[in-house]
Amino acid sequence: AQSVTQLDSHVSVSEGTPVLLRCNYSSSYSPSLFWYVQHPNKGLQLLLKYTSAATLVKGINGFEAEFKKSETSFHLTKPSAHMSDAAEYFCVVSAFSGNTPLVFGKGTRLSVIA
Amino acid sequence: DSGVTQTPKHLITATGQRVTLRCSPRSGDLSVYWYQQSLDQGLQFLIQYYNGEERAKGNILERFSAQQFPDLHSELNLSSLELGDSALYFCASSVEGPITDTQYFGPGTRLTVL
Repeated sequence: AQSVTQLDSHVSVSEGTPVLLRCNYSSSYSPSLFWYVQHPNKGLQLLLKYTSAATLVKGINGFEAEFKKSETSFHLTKPSAHMSDAAEYFCVVSAFSGNTPLVFGKGTRLSVIA
Repeated sequence: DSGVTQTPKHLITATGQRVTLRCSPRSGDLSVYWYQQSLDQGLQFLIQYYNGEERAKGNILERFSAQQFPDLHSELNLSSLELGDSALYFCASSVEGPITDTQYFGPGTRLTVL
């Protein structure tokens, strides 16, 4: 079975400072891991995904995430926050094969202060 | 804009009623996924269709059903509605079947059951 835990329900940063959104996962198989972003009243947009290739994954809008198997973590980072980054972020896990559904974390709300 | 369209945008109905939500995937995408997002349950995978056939099933209630038509659009039918069914329902699509493919989300249908 797969599960994902987003360690912070809310993160607040100042504009221009680094962003760290934490995610731990549990998976019986080699996982695929995703980060999605949801802006208010919008659908979800894929930021990046890991599927057993390079452990450091670069995504859109300057975000990146590092897959650490030993720590079962997939934290999302960005060197410098922008006001437009304020949104809800979801960490998602799936088994690498088979028809196991995607499992979403409960989300982390990122606030960016001017 | 992801290319996935959902109608209607908002739906208000009464308990016991039946509604149909519609989704048109991106051009060329064969898979359609349905998700429910509520405050208490978070984002949950409901069901996936691939080229007209059911491919994977998640936490979908028996009162809910879905289908994918030959033109690849999909409908989610919700019947005997309860107050707890009030939620945002998202459709997503991907090119192929594997559930680890990048999924592109529509803007969602907000269902309110009174």
